Amino acid sequence: EAGVTQSPTHLIKTRGQQATLRCSPISGHTSVYWYQQALGLGLQFLLWYDEGEERNRGNFPPRFSGRQFPNYSSELNVNALELEDSALYLCASSLETGRSTGELFFGEGSRLTVL
Amino acid sequence: QQQVKQSPQSLIVQKGGISIINCAYENTAFDYFPWYQQFPGKGPALLIAIRPDVSEKKEGRFTISFNKSAKQFSLHIMDSQPGDSATYFCAASISLQGAQKLVFGQGTRLTINP
Repeated sequence: EAGVTQSPTHLIKTRGQQATLRCSPISGHTSVYWYQQALGLGLQFLLWYDEGEERNRGNFPPRFSGRQFPNYSSELNVNALELEDSALYLCASSLETGRSTGELFFGEGSRLTVL
Repeated sequence: QQQVKQSPQSLIVQKGGISIINCAYENTAFDYFPWYQQFPGKGPALLIAIRPDVSEKKEGRFTISFNKSAKQFSLHIMDSQPGDSATYFCAASISLQGAQKLVFGQGTRLTINP
């Protein structure tokens, strides 16, 4: 069974540009989470989508946005890129049962570099 | 109140020693406490997890100790090996609106010296 896949693996942009990152969850998983992992920092929660709807977002400005498609894949968009947006962006999926299991399945991430 | 505080930030242990990483939380509504392991260039992967009604869980060389009254939990790695060198994240999970929200600690970079 394929795991969570993310693309692109690496992305280089300049300040002010827009970046689009994509994620395909594990088959059967309806929830997709996005996390930012900047160098030396932990996993900062960005966005959570379930059944096509944004369920929660972390403490990030509105220029971080995304969506979830009917096939449960997801896209993260970062507009007006700033240097501090350089980070590893991790996507995770889970099978929601209405009960906490603590298990998110992570992809290998998309490394965004803003010059 | 949604934070999980993790320490130490980095840890160096000799091969064969015991590695101990500690976490603390405030929100008593958290109902699941997983630990994730992340190797360089990879995404985090679930290592071991515990529910608050259990004080200890052991899987091989990895043990979680949970102190509900102190709102603290820790990961012990016995007989630490160079292959255990990775970044470890504790987390706390809460069920919200029919789905779970996971809050991560800041991570501990563990290095096992041969």
